[in-house]
Amino acid sequence: AQSVSQHNHHVILSEAASLELGCNYSYGGTVNLFWYVQYPGQHLQLLLKYFSGDPLVKGIKGFEAEFIKSKFSFNLRKPSVQWSDTAEYFCAVNENTGFQKLVFGTGTRLLVSP
Amino acid sequence: GAGVSQSPSNKVTEKGKDVELRCDPISGHTALYWYRQSLGQGLEFLIYFQGNSAPDKSGLPSDRFSAERTGGSVSTLTIQRTQQEDSAVYLCASSLALSYNEQFFGPGTRLTVL
Repeated sequence: AQSVSQHNHHVILSEAASLELGCNYSYGGTVNLFWYVQYPGQHLQLLLKYFSGDPLVKGIKGFEAEFIKSKFSFNLRKPSVQWSDTAEYFCAVNENTGFQKLVFGTGTRLLVSP
Repeated sequence: GAGVSQSPSNKVTEKGKDVELRCDPISGHTALYWYRQSLGQGLEFLIYFQGNSAPDKSGLPSDRFSAERTGGSVSTLTIQRTQQEDSAVYLCASSLALSYNEQFFGPGTRLTVL
């Protein structure tokens, strides 16, 4: 069965610091990869996704992620965080077939202090 | 409406009672999903509907859980004889077909079983 690991459960950064959140998945086949974000009091929303092509994916709000197939990783990065990036971040994967359920990691809570 | 809507937003019930949670997906989205978000557990897949195909019920935790989708649109998740461990936020999402499409999430229903 697929699984997704997010190694950092809580991250605290100061504004302007760089961010990298780890995500590793276990599945041997072709996958689609997603990062979702949940801001306080808001719905889950998509930050970015990878399904083919350039393994460096750019998303909204200056976020990017790199798919490294050999490492089964899809780490999320942002060069300079803002206070408004305080949120919970979820990595998710699904199989690149007709089977569409998302398997989520347990999430990383990011707190950015001003 | 523009997004996925869910009702009620909060539900408090007594152990042993049945509850129904409702989801209205985005118009035109053929795929509908239910997930559960428990404290410290991340998001757990429950059930998936795609068009007129038989639903994928592989994530339902017990036979107390069931869901239906009427007319290819609105969905209802029913939990019979609720238990305290059913307390969680139940999230509904919808998407267009194909696995790499973004799933749009609703605001969730927070269920508390006393």
